[in-house]
Amino acid sequence: AQSVTQPDIHITVSEGASLELRCNYSYGATPYLFWYVQSPGQGLQLLLKYFSGDTLVQGIKGFEAEFKRSQSSFNLRKPSVHWSDAAEYFCAGGGGFKTIFGAGTRLFVKA
Amino acid sequence: DTAVSQTPKYLVTQMGNDKSIKCEQNLGHDTMYWYKQDSKKFLKIMFSYNNKELIINETVPNRFSPKSPDKAHLNLHINSLELGDSAVYFCASSQEAGGAYNEQFFGPGTRLTVL
Repeated sequence: AQSVTQPDIHITVSEGASLELRCNYSYGATPYLFWYVQSPGQGLQLLLKYFSGDTLVQGIKGFEAEFKRSQSSFNLRKPSVHWSDAAEYFCAGGGGFKTIFGAGTRLFVKA
Repeated sequence: DTAVSQTPKYLVTQMGNDKSIKCEQNLGHDTMYWYKQDSKKFLKIMFSYNNKELIINETVPNRFSPKSPDKAHLNLHINSLELGDSAVYFCASSQEAGGAYNEQFFGPGTRLTVL
């Protein structure tokens, strides 16, 4: 069955530190993969997406993600976290009509 | 201009009532969705329409009925509301129904509280 897994329910990083949020997928073929961010009280906003080509994709707000087929992973990274990055992050995968969302990772940023 | 808008933003109602949530997108997209987000932030697809045609209908109680009068609108009507219906409901749209163009644009959400 198709699935998207985010192993970490929440992560805390210090402001200015680097960040990596994990995402693993299970699909028959290479899925289309997305990362969304949800700020408190808001809808989801697309950060970046991967569907083919270069396995390192750049997104908005200084985020990037790397697709690794051998590890079935699509981890999100940012070199230096800002307090405004505190939010819920969702990895998602689509291979047909339906997009499957992971359970989300809540990012806390400490000063 | 707001790309995907939902009304109302908050909805507080009694058990057993019937209520509707409206959604409109001005992006010219062909596909629209309804998601339910529970208190643990888990996001679950409920319905999807492509060009006014229902293409995804997940295991949702038939008290929930979507209606798409045109490509730009997808409304959600809920009959006989129950406590378990309390959640945040998100509308979203995408250019196409699948594939690389399935990146979705989300509305701000409607927080439904059933008392």
